[in-house]
Amino acid sequence: DGGITQSPKYLFRKEGQNVTLSCEQNLNHDAMYWYRQDPGQGLRLIYYSQIVNDFQKGDIAEGYSVSREKKESFPLTVTSAQKNPTAFYLCASRPHLSSLGSPLHFGNGTRLTVT
Amino acid sequence: GQQLNQSPQSMFIQEGEDVSMNCTSSSIFNTWLWYKQEPGEGPVLLIALYKAGELTSNGRLTAQFGITRKDSFLNISASIPSDVGIYFCAGRTNFGNEKLTFGTGTRLTIIP
Repeated sequence: DGGITQSPKYLFRKEGQNVTLSCEQNLNHDAMYWYRQDPGQGLRLIYYSQIVNDFQKGDIAEGYSVSREKKESFPLTVTSAQKNPTAFYLCASRPHLSSLGSPLHFGNGTRLTVT
Repeated sequence: GQQLNQSPQSMFIQEGEDVSMNCTSSSIFNTWLWYKQEPGEGPVLLIALYKAGELTSNGRLTAQFGITRKDSFLNISASIPSDVGIYFCAGRTNFGNEKLTFGTGTRLTIIP
């Protein structure tokens, strides 16, 4: 079945450590996204990528980094510079921009806890 | 930045009742999307709207793209226990805009 796979489901890290969250999709979608979700808030865009080897900052990119070396993969690194990293992280994808207005498809998220 | 006001924040209803929730925007949107999220899972698309005035149904769910293009409504008829979850609206100001703005969600709880 086609879909978006995020791993791991739960991740625990000590403060000061970088951590990388995985996102893989086999939908042949060109665009991929990372969102952060905090309790009682809507989803906030961290980074997005419309094409391989290119990505753009979202609204809350500080303390995060991404790479897009393959179409299927868009890993997110939460660096030690992110001041409040504990959150639920959601990866999403959608077809190329030529599919105007197409909605996002989400993975099942990774809950990151930093202590 | 753009803001989406979603209301109500939470609802507690009896099984079998109808549900209504809405989103309003400070900007004109060209796309409205409604998602449902269950605990520990990613949001799942329920309905997508692309035209002002559009009314679209998906089973017991009906959503409308407001005429002003600044609001959208979601109705659920005859609620059942599996409707429990958080419902999010999301909008896009133009088709080429990669940034989707999300509402803060409506948490639906169903009392048996």
